[in-house]
Formats: sequence, structure tokens, C-alpha cells
Amino acid sequence: SQQGEEDPQALSIQEGENATMNCSYKTSINNLQWYRQNSGRGLVHLILIRSNEREKHSGRLRVTLDTSKKSSSLLITASRAADTASYFCATDGNFGNEKLTFGTGTRLTIIP
Amino acid sequence: EPEVTQTPSHQVTQMGQEVILRCVPISNHLYFYWYRQILGQKVEFLVSFYNNEISEKSEIFDDQFSVERPDGSNFTLKIRSTKLEDSAMYFCASSETGLGDETQYFGPGTRLLVL
Repeated sequence: SQQGEEDPQALSIQEGENATMNCSYKTSINNLQWYRQNSGRGLVHLILIRSNEREKHSGRLRVTLDTSKKSSSLLITASRAADTASYFCATDGNFGNEKLTFGTGTRLTIIP
Repeated sequence: EPEVTQTPSHQVTQMGQEVILRCVPISNHLYFYWYRQILGQKVEFLVSFYNNEISEKSEIFDDQFSVERPDGSNFTLKIRSTKLEDSAMYFCASSETGLGDETQYFGPGTRLLVL
């Protein structure tokens, strides 16, 4: 798999349900960031988790990081129609403020 | 809340023409980046810039590309002679120093179409 590869590639759920997206990566990281992208629009930063953190919350978002498995998950609870977007994980290198390597993304559709 | 801005939002150009994409990073940020996203594909890193010089560049960032910080606020990406395959969404991003928040904040992008 490639650095920063998400699964599933696409996910459709009913409004109100929880959505879980996973990301795997290959090399050591300093931090991992999750972004949202509405169709054809810019990248909105959601959350950053450092390599020494295991879990982080922000509102309805919960991110976990398992550096031993080189994987992360993004959980969106109580989904809303406005959560419909593509979600990407992005990893940096070992030292911070380096280039981000993006995954292929998960296309999330919330069905009202 | 401070944000990264980019102009123009859309640019259409003829193959072989030069284009300059402009970005205004968040004012207290010191690290600047350009990425691009070809339609339907991943976001790809192009170049990073710190202390008035390129700190890293990808294979995509060949001699046709250049970056500049002409003044204290703007950060530009120039494509000297555009090719059809340069058609993409170009994103500028900025971040603070390594001592603080390393989040990269992205602008809304410039959609470049090369005909």
C-alpha cells in the first residue's frame, strides 16, 4: 500500500450514524493530519495528532493513532449531511514542518 | 480567524504560456508550501520554502517551476511554459515554526486549466 492510504475508498451512511475511516502509512512520522475536502474545493484542516499521542478529540471527531501498526482512524459521530466530503490523512516526516504526503482519500456520503 | 488566500481562483491559459499563481500565507507563519491535485487524484507536494529559500522540492517541481516571496506577504508559484498536464488545482499552504503548531493551513486553491 502507499504512504497515507485510506480505506474504505467510499462510504455511504445514514445521517445520525457514525462514520469511521482508516489510514495506513509506511514510514516514521512526526505527526498525522486529517483534512476534509468538499467537491472541487479547498482542504480544510480537521485535526493533527502527534506521534506520541494515541487519541485526540475535537467536537464530533475522534482520531486514533497506532504507530506500531502505522495506522490511524478518524471517527465522525452523529453524522450530518454537511459532513459529506472527501477525507484525507496526511503524514509528514520525522522532523516536522516537512512536506505532507496525502492518502487517496475516503469519499463519505451522508444520506439524509 | 486568519486564513491563507489565493488568487486567482480560476485561470485558463494556452499551452506554452507563463502563469503566476499568488498566495498570501497566514501572517506569522514561516513555512510555505505548494501542492497540486490533478482532477480525481491525490494531493501532491511540489515545494516547500523557508527563510527565503527552497527547503525541499519534488520531482514534479522541475525547471519550469519557480517560487518567490517578493515581499513580506505574498508567495508565488510561476510556471514558465505551461503544458497540458499542468492542469490541476494548485494549493498554497503555510505553517508556523516547529516549536509550535505544525498544522499546515491550506488556501482555497487555484484551478488551472491549460488548453
